[in-house]
Amino acid sequence: AQKVTQAQTEISVVEKEDVTLDCVYETRDTTYYLFWYKQPPSGELVFLIRRNSFDEQNEISGRYSWNFQKSTSSFNFTITASQVVDSAVYFCALSDRNTGKLIFGQGTTLQVKP
Amino acid sequence: EPEVTQTPSHQVTQMGQEVILRCVPISNHLYFYWYRQILGQKVEFLVSFYNNEISEKSEIFDDQFSVERPDGSNFTLKIRSTKLEDSAMYFCASSPSQDTYEQYFGPGTRLTVT
Repeated sequence: AQKVTQAQTEISVVEKEDVTLDCVYETRDTTYYLFWYKQPPSGELVFLIRRNSFDEQNEISGRYSWNFQKSTSSFNFTITASQVVDSAVYFCALSDRNTGKLIFGQGTTLQVKP
Repeated sequence: EPEVTQTPSHQVTQMGQEVILRCVPISNHLYFYWYRQILGQKVEFLVSFYNNEISEKSEIFDDQFSVERPDGSNFTLKIRSTKLEDSAMYFCASSPSQDTYEQYFGPGTRLTVT
């Protein structure tokens, strides 16, 4: 069965600290995509990144970086020099190869204090 | 930039009433999805729709739920007889193809059943 686990329910950091959000997934598919979404207090889902299972290169986008390791089935997300505006719930998700539906993790609530 | 729109943004209804949640997917997209997020919980897949029929539905999507694409633009989710536990945020998503696994989410409709 496909599953996404975000073991960290809540994380609290002080502004300018680096923070890593963990994501572990389970799938039997050989081809799949992994995603991260941000959900600010306003409620919408903001797409952050999509990663193909064949591409294990780490990615950096500004203060955001992602570490994909197939050997450990993990797709972790790091925010460098966190800011108050980063406060949100972050969801990791896995695609289903047959239907394209997304399977979400439980989410990690990140609070960045000034 | 094209986007998925949803109406209404917030719907309040009494238990037992029928509600229709509306979505306008991106115009050239072919795959459509509904997801549900109960307050404070993860985003859960409800149903996927392609070529005017349901391609997959979850256990949550029981007989009280239905989806329809009544014209070339709208994609609706109907709940026939709402229950208190249907209170949630409902997200619509669309995708240009299944292979890209690139889903665009609408802003959501918050349904409150009293």
